[in-house]
Amino acid sequence: GAGVSQSPSNKVTEKGKDVELRCDPISGHTALYWYRQSLGQGLEFLIYFQGNSAPDKSGLPSDRFSAERTGGSVSTLTIQRTQQEDSAVYLCASSSGRVAFFGQGTRLTVV
Amino acid sequence: AQSVTQPDIHITVSEGASLELRCNYSYGATPYLFWYVQSPGQGLQLLLKYFSGDTLVQGIKGFEAEFKRSQSSFNLRKPSVHWSDAAEYFCAVGAGESNYQLIWGAGTKLIIKP
Repeated sequence: GAGVSQSPSNKVTEKGKDVELRCDPISGHTALYWYRQSLGQGLEFLIYFQGNSAPDKSGLPSDRFSAERTGGSVSTLTIQRTQQEDSAVYLCASSSGRVAFFGQGTRLTVV
Repeated sequence: AQSVTQPDIHITVSEGASLELRCNYSYGATPYLFWYVQSPGQGLQLLLKYFSGDTLVQGIKGFEAEFKRSQSSFNLRKPSVHWSDAAEYFCAVGAGESNYQLIWGAGTKLIIKP
């Protein structure tokens, strides 16, 4: 596609439920990143995929968070048993070199 | 450890005034440097980047930034701000030759006074 696409754009979920956030990167981009941005905060790195290499999961805050990237393209970030502190904007970015292109984000609200 | 510092959390300037947003980094090798802008409710958009060569780089929307190795800085400037420049600005450093990971500053929120 023309840009990085994220869905849904907004998600409201009840505490304890699982959620899946989707990222469709720019076609041909080998690198894909997930970040979390809490209200008024900077970017918190979550996970990084590069080609067929093992992902860098060092930023995932707990084992409730996981992500996969199928076929080197679409990625899904899954949060299990959501907590209120998971409320944030989740940003996805992709790159084919050093310049990262961002999606519009998914705003997650846990109530 | 690699780090990026944006010392100003908020900056307020009058429309038409000049702007400088500060960014300092800590990185052992030649850095890859970026400035991104995030408008309210939007994702991040690349303003400009420095990889090598001329240390004064031009970006979109009339912004420029200067890489100063001796000061480990990459400050963003604009000679005359417009109300539409109100946004949050993030500086980032690219780490490593084969690792495309980015180290991010905490951001500076720009407020424009009419």
